Amino acid sequence: GENVGLHLPTLSVQEGDNSIINCAYSNSASDYFIWYKQESGKGPQFIIDIRSNMDKRQGQRVTVLLNKTVKHLSLQIAATQPGDSAVYFCAESGFNTNAGKSTFGDGTTLTVKP
Amino acid sequence: DAGITQSPRHKVTETGTPVTLRCHQTENHRYMYWYRQDPGHGLRLIHYSYGVKDTDKGEVSDGYSVSRSKTEDFLLTLESATSSQTSVYFCAIKPGGPNEKLFFGSGTQLSVL
Repeated sequence: GENVGLHLPTLSVQEGDNSIINCAYSNSASDYFIWYKQESGKGPQFIIDIRSNMDKRQGQRVTVLLNKTVKHLSLQIAATQPGDSAVYFCAESGFNTNAGKSTFGDGTTLTVKP
Repeated sequence: DAGITQSPRHKVTETGTPVTLRCHQTENHRYMYWYRQDPGHGLRLIHYSYGVKDTDKGEVSDGYSVSRSKTEDFLLTLESATSSQTSVYFCAIKPGGPNEKLFFGSGTQLSVL
């Protein structure tokens, strides 16, 4: 079955450094990938997405890279700030049903040290 | 919160009792989802709906049922709560359509003693 996973459960970075969070997926038919951020006590919040016809997409301080050859997804956060401390989830969605069920990885906890 | 209200926000109940969680949205979106979140498991899909009276099972649907009699409300029922159903429950919508991003509510913390 499909499997979406993250390489590391925790990541600690210094404020101002760049962060890279990785995710691997197993279903080669997946065509839509999303990164969510979840702060303590809140629901996950959309950060950035990418479709399988692209290999890179940039937002404000965030970049998502997609490597379909090795089924790997990464989230890069530039100049990491204390407010970036949260749990980050990757998810794949939309390829298999008309209701677009999303499958989530287990999450990476990012801690930003001042 | 994308116009999503979950109620209650916290609930403590006893094993064997029925529990209903409510998700209410204000913008009449078609696609609604219930997830549970447990340490070490990320978010797992329980049930989803693609319209009034149109629902289907997710990956962890055993012990749960849902109903959607109105576009704006999606109810999740634990017929006979068990301790393994202690979790945080999130409702979500997809305003853009089935192959788009999710918007989540604030969650319900459920404890089954």
